Amino acid sequence: DTGVSQDPRHKITKRGQNVTFRCDPISEHNRLYWYRQTLGQGPEFLTYFQNEAQLEKSRLLSDRFSAERPKGSFSTLEIQRTEQGDSAMYLCASSLERGGIGGTEAFFGQGTRLTVV
Amino acid sequence: AQKITQTQPGMFVQEKEAVTLDCTYDTSDQSYGLFWYKQPSSGEMIFLIYQGSYDEQNATEGRYSLNFQKARKSANLVISASQLGDSAMYFCAMREIGGNTPLVFGKGTRLSVIA
Repeated sequence: DTGVSQDPRHKITKRGQNVTFRCDPISEHNRLYWYRQTLGQGPEFLTYFQNEAQLEKSRLLSDRFSAERPKGSFSTLEIQRTEQGDSAMYLCASSLERGGIGGTEAFFGQGTRLTVV
Repeated sequence: AQKITQTQPGMFVQEKEAVTLDCTYDTSDQSYGLFWYKQPSSGEMIFLIYQGSYDEQNATEGRYSLNFQKARKSANLVISASQLGDSAMYFCAMREIGGNTPLVFGKGTRLSVIA
């Protein structure tokens, strides 16, 4: 396994269009996170999954955002009716949770940079 | 709610010197983990080091060590023998161990290593 992969790496879209990003986590990892990062800031949590269940959504995740992880493997993040303020790097990460036995690090993909024009 | 504070927006260090990047945190969890990540200009987030709240020893990974002071709620990263390749953004993060909480990040510190 080569790590967490995200597709596409870059996306330029016109305001009002819908976009969808894909994340393929490390295969044995059961937890998958989506973060958003703007220039000069730390990653901001959007949502995360434990297997196929979406456990938490940030208030940053407006109704225009939806995420899925249908079979507990890859995940998609869709943004509908994009706005210029959605321009950011969208990061996906995965980790293996073992029921409280220590804390496990999250491994990040290289991100999808979205530019809304 | 958990919160991470990194008060140094930018730091400079001479090559081969040691540098400390500050991180303080706030949480009501009894069991939590603290993480440091490096983000070079290429954008990928690279995991550096982990410290569990119940770990008695400070974590070390090669040139990285974590100065964990639980009573002060601080988890500073120490980089020894700085190299030019250490120039990057550094993020402190934390989360509850065993719970259903996500990893929460600070705003980061930009480290510049000078030859």
